[in-house]
Amino acid sequence: GQNIDQPTEMTATEGAIVQINCTYQTSGFNGLFWYQQHAGEAPTFLSYNVLDGLEEKGRFSSFLSRSKGYSYLLLKELQMKDSASYLCAVYNNNDMRFGAGTRLTVKP
Amino acid sequence: ETGVTQTPRHLVMGMTNKKSLKCEQHLGHNAMYWYKQSAKKPLELMFVYSLEERVENNSVPSRFSPECPNSSHLFLHLHTLQPEDSALYLCASSQEGIHNEQFFGPGTRLTVL
Repeated sequence: GQNIDQPTEMTATEGAIVQINCTYQTSGFNGLFWYQQHAGEAPTFLSYNVLDGLEEKGRFSSFLSRSKGYSYLLLKELQMKDSASYLCAVYNNNDMRFGAGTRLTVKP
Repeated sequence: ETGVTQTPRHLVMGMTNKKSLKCEQHLGHNAMYWYKQSAKKPLELMFVYSLEERVENNSVPSRFSPECPNSSHLFLHLHTLQPEDSALYLCASSQEGIHNEQFFGPGTRLTVL
């Protein structure tokens, strides 16, 4: 089967750092995406990892280990507007499989 | 208009109705997608179109019928739907295929009575 697992919910404090994990077992792998989705809105692209290692983009970083089937999204200097769902997705050929998403709540 | 637009934003239909969802992208992309987002379930890729050709159909029931008349427009024709088809239907587009950043429309909230 194909599984993409993420924690359902996380809570963190404004200004802190939070790490959202994603583990996957899929029949193939070409790359891994992270998307952000605010309540009632469409998903927006955050990052894309193809090779192992860390990709940094401002306050957000994403890490990939293909051998372990593992990725994480790191959010630094959390802001209230970062409260949203974070979706992990694995891309293989012309297919994209999403995890159920992690709902992050940032508290003052 | 900019980005990806979808109409209608909300749709209520009976199980015997026929309706269509429309998506238009103003980004010059050549690939478009339909997704289904149900409560408490992962986002599901339904159809992939690249250069107006369907390249992926993830075992979607035939009561959903996509149409891509050109690279800017995508339709999802609906007929004899079931209540479990009630969901948010999202359209997205990207340049050169699914491995690139996708831009999503705001979605159509569909309720099947």
